[in-house]
Amino acid sequence: GEDVEQSLFLSVREGDSSVINCTYTDSSSTYLYWYKQEPGAGLQLLTYIFSNMDMKQDQRLTVLLNKKDKHLSLRIADTQTGDSAIYFCAESTVKSGNTPLVFGKGTRLSVIA
Amino acid sequence: KAGVTQTPRYLIKTRGQQVTLSCSPISGHRSVSWYQQTPGQGLQFLFEYFSETQRNKGNFPGRFSGRQFSNSRSEMNVSTLELGDSALYLCASSLTGGGTDTQYFGPGTRLTVL
Repeated sequence: GEDVEQSLFLSVREGDSSVINCTYTDSSSTYLYWYKQEPGAGLQLLTYIFSNMDMKQDQRLTVLLNKKDKHLSLRIADTQTGDSAIYFCAESTVKSGNTPLVFGKGTRLSVIA
Repeated sequence: KAGVTQTPRYLIKTRGQQVTLSCSPISGHRSVSWYQQTPGQGLQFLFEYFSETQRNKGNFPGRFSGRQFSNSRSEMNVSTLELGDSALYLCASSLTGGGTDTQYFGPGTRLTVL
């Protein structure tokens, strides 16, 4: 079955880079997403990557995908206190009809000033 | 363009009651999905609607149901509420709901069952 794993906590100092890791099991995963959730809020789409890509950069965010190891990472450069939130990795696959997102449990990022 | 809206934002109910939550998707989006978020289970898929038809359903009891209207707005209903139904219920919309389609989430409805 499909499964997405993430470490639960990460603590970094303001100005440092943060790297949040995710592993998934479904080899047919086509799109992989990173969502951010701030306290009391819904999920904000940060970025996504197609499975035929190795890397995607979007301003301070860099996504790396190792399809062979089924490993996805999100790097946040120059981490700020406003980046403190829970980050969710999610996958979707192209199967017949629609497919729901499968989420990891989320990584709580704490940024220390 | 307005984002996904959910009403109400907060609800308090007692066991045995029923509840209806509402979701208005982004204009032009025809697919609406519902997810339940709890501290223990994380984010779990409830169901997805497209063109007023339920296309996919997660592993939840029949007490959880939903529907979609011709304007793509969706409602979900939970009958005979249990304490374990306390959760954040998130709605997501996308253009067609296909596996390559990005889903955009609303702020959620926080349901507390006493």
